[in-house]
Amino acid sequence: QKEVEQDPGPLSVPEGAIVSLNCTYSNSAFQYFMWYRQYSRKGPELLMYTYSSGNKEDGRFTAQVDKSSKYISLFIRDSQPSDSATYLCAARDNYGQNLVFGPGTRLSVLP
Amino acid sequence: DSGVTQTPKHLITATGQRVTLRCSPRSGDLSVYWYQQSLDQGLQFLIQYYNGEERAKGNILERFSAQQFPDLHSELNLSSLELGDSALYFCASSRDPLNTEAFFGQGTRLTVV
Repeated sequence: QKEVEQDPGPLSVPEGAIVSLNCTYSNSAFQYFMWYRQYSRKGPELLMYTYSSGNKEDGRFTAQVDKSSKYISLFIRDSQPSDSATYLCAARDNYGQNLVFGPGTRLSVLP
Repeated sequence: DSGVTQTPKHLITATGQRVTLRCSPRSGDLSVYWYQQSLDQGLQFLIQYYNGEERAKGNILERFSAQQFPDLHSELNLSSLELGDSALYFCASSRDPLNTEAFFGQGTRLTVV
């Protein structure tokens, strides 16, 4: 079992929809959780990171972490065609430098 | 633009050869990380350097090695290349050694033929 799992998609939604992207993880020592966006043939771009459980909002993006169920979510409101990309969740513990990435979910937002 | 520069962007080489990938971190970042991304394995951590010293090792093959120089740029050396080494290789950098906010370069696409 991989430490961080994601549904690879692809996920297609119409423009303006609310998108929900999810990850599960198995290592209970993970404390930091990140979401990266990766456009085709580009490097991953950090969107948000959260520490421990809770919510964090940044514009149209909201990250949620539920440590009791080992569940990480990213919500995108008013999705735009420019949001079409692969979204990678990642996690690490308090001491490790190694970010463990999920396989990524490919999102297409259709105009 | 993340501020992390990787060269070259593309590399095509034959099996058995050796290549060097180069990374310049963002100004002020002391940590450099190398990742390999392939279709079947996703993004895999290879190795981290912090201020010139190796700090963490991931799934890095013995045929691969890296170093970070006094000016903080880093090089990843891949030798005895195999077809399966074809992948995107990313470098990332962060200010702190704990990888809380890591910024990725655009990657080097390596094709081994």
